[in-house]
Amino acid sequence: DQQVKQNSPSLSVQEGRISILNCDYTNSMFDYFLWYKKYPAEGPTFLISISSIKDKNEDGRFTVFLNKSAKHLSLHIVPSQPGDSAVYFCAASGASWGKLQFGAGTQVVVTP
Amino acid sequence: NAGVMQNPRHLVRRRGQEARLRCSPMKGHSHVYWYRQLPEEGLKFMVYLQKENIIDESGMPKERFSAEFPKEGPSILRIQQVVRGDSAAYFCASSAPSGLQSYEQYFGPGTRLTVT
Repeated sequence: DQQVKQNSPSLSVQEGRISILNCDYTNSMFDYFLWYKKYPAEGPTFLISISSIKDKNEDGRFTVFLNKSAKHLSLHIVPSQPGDSAVYFCAASGASWGKLQFGAGTQVVVTP
Repeated sequence: NAGVMQNPRHLVRRRGQEARLRCSPMKGHSHVYWYRQLPEEGLKFMVYLQKENIIDESGMPKERFSAEFPKEGPSILRIQQVVRGDSAAYFCASSAPSGLQSYEQYFGPGTRLTVT
């Protein structure tokens, strides 16, 4: 039962342009959402999070948007840089649950 | 380095042997989580522990797998009688006590288990 879905397995974007990664969820009890970045042979690195009481959170080049009615969130990276090439995972939690449920990931490749 | 530490980074076991994976959480964190990533898949939750307590083990296979987080020392994920299907990357994460309203989990570098 995949409750968090990232339907785009890969994304290619030019350096300097915007990367938009999408994530959908099915469980309306989720109230906290996170994005992680992962390089090969390393652990996931926390990027940014958003609580369900907000619709936007921004941190430097990273902005996460949450549309609760659509059960959809997105991560915007602008401008994209070569070091952003990695797999990005969307994750969700009910704040009292502890565990995170992850999407399958989106491989981002930033080209010069 | 105050990050989450895991060892060993790589572990090779023959079928039927035992695997023991260790995790030391970030300083000040008292919640530990274990996740498994099979090849070409996302991370799957296994177990959530606090000191001396298992809070949620809903993702743990019913047999051969166990986890602990003792009062002193690291958290241990133990896999008995390993099979080839156990080959995966096992990640540990930690978070601050819930009273601090911090739900972010911070991950270690993982242990890559290969069963031959």
